[in-house]
Amino acid sequence: AQRVTQPEKLLSVFKGAPVELKCNYSYSGSPELFWYVQYSRQRLQLLLRHISRESIKGFTADLNKGETSFHLKKPFAQEEDSAMYYCGLRGSTLGRLYFGRGTQLTVWP
Amino acid sequence: DSGVTQTPKHLITATGQRVTLRCSPRSGDLSVYWYQQSLDQGLQFLIQYYNGEERAKGNILERFSAQQFPDLHSELNLSSLELGDSALYFCASSVAVFGTDTQYFGPGTRLTVL
Repeated sequence: AQRVTQPEKLLSVFKGAPVELKCNYSYSGSPELFWYVQYSRQRLQLLLRHISRESIKGFTADLNKGETSFHLKKPFAQEEDSAMYYCGLRGSTLGRLYFGRGTQLTVWP
Repeated sequence: DSGVTQTPKHLITATGQRVTLRCSPRSGDLSVYWYQQSLDQGLQFLIQYYNGEERAKGNILERFSAQQFPDLHSELNLSSLELGDSALYFCASSVAVFGTDTQYFGPGTRLTVL
């Protein structure tokens, strides 16, 4: 069965510090992995997806099939990065997304 | 705004009542997805429609139903409401029924059941 796990419900770092939001997944086929961000009381926005391998707002994520992980990283966190981050998985044949429970990131000044 | 729109923004109702949430997809998008975001369950997929037809069902209760109309807007109907149905309901849209296209989310409808 497919499952997305984000082990940290809350994560706090200081401005300028590196940040890593963890995401592990379980899926029998070849999934597509996403990171969505939700700023306070706003809609979910796509941050990045593993197939495009691009860096958005300084964030990167690498799909590690051996460890079934898709951790989100940023070398220097900014206060405006404070938000809820959701890791999502899409299977090979269906459009629906499976989401983790989310990690609330707080970046202190 | 050519993005996904949802109405109403907020809805407050009582237990046992029935409500309808509305979603208009982005121009050109044929797929509509409904998700429920609650504190205890997180973000859960409910149902997907593609060009008017139901394509996938997730954790949707029998008290809930949805449809997609010829103009591609979608409605999510919630009946016999319970306190536990209080949540943020998101709609998302994408071009295709599956594949590598991106899902774009609406601003959500916050439902409060008293």
